[in-house]
Amino acid sequence: GAGVSQSPSNKVTEKGKDVELRCDPISGHTALYWYRQRLGQGLEFLIYFQGNSAPDKSGLPSDRFSAERTGESVSTLTIQRTQQEDSAVYLCASSLASLQGGVGNTIYFGEGSWLTVV
Amino acid sequence: SQQGEEDPQALSIQEGENATMNCSYKTSINNLQWYRQNSGRGLVHLILIRSNEREKHSGRLRVTLDTSKKSSSLLITASRAADTASYFCATRNTGGFKTIFGAGTRLFVKA
Repeated sequence: GAGVSQSPSNKVTEKGKDVELRCDPISGHTALYWYRQRLGQGLEFLIYFQGNSAPDKSGLPSDRFSAERTGESVSTLTIQRTQQEDSAVYLCASSLASLQGGVGNTIYFGEGSWLTVV
Repeated sequence: SQQGEEDPQALSIQEGENATMNCSYKTSINNLQWYRQNSGRGLVHLILIRSNEREKHSGRLRVTLDTSKKSSSLLITASRAADTASYFCATRNTGGFKTIFGAGTRLFVKA
């Protein structure tokens, strides 16, 4: 697609329920990132995928969080047994993966999925 | 822990003035990028500076990078009310693609 697409854009869920957030990266982008941003805060790295390499899961805050990516396409971030502290905007981004460090590293963001746990 | 730290956390200036935001980071980087965010939604890429570059310009934006001090600055000249937003620096470590963002500077430009 033309840009990174995320769904749903807004989700209200009850504490204890599971949620799935979806991300469609820009076609051809091999790197895909998930970040969490609480209200008024910076971006907290969660996970990134790069091609067929093992994902870097170092930012996932607990085992309630998991993410998958199908090849170099769609990714799903799953939060199990949601807690009120999970309320945030979840931002997905993608980029080309150039080790040379130039403009191929530009990260393109989706508009985010705003999750509210009540 | 997060890589980049911006300062100031918030900045309020008059239209026409220049705005300077700073970013410090902790480890060796491949590149440093600045992003802008309106209304808490998606971020928009502004400018990228490689680790072997010291200064870069794009329109009213000027970015400097000092790898010896592990710091960068973003200067917005002749600010406009439409520049009101949050600005984030992001660093990509050497040898990988993991990109870490700082806490951001909230810029308010008064008309």
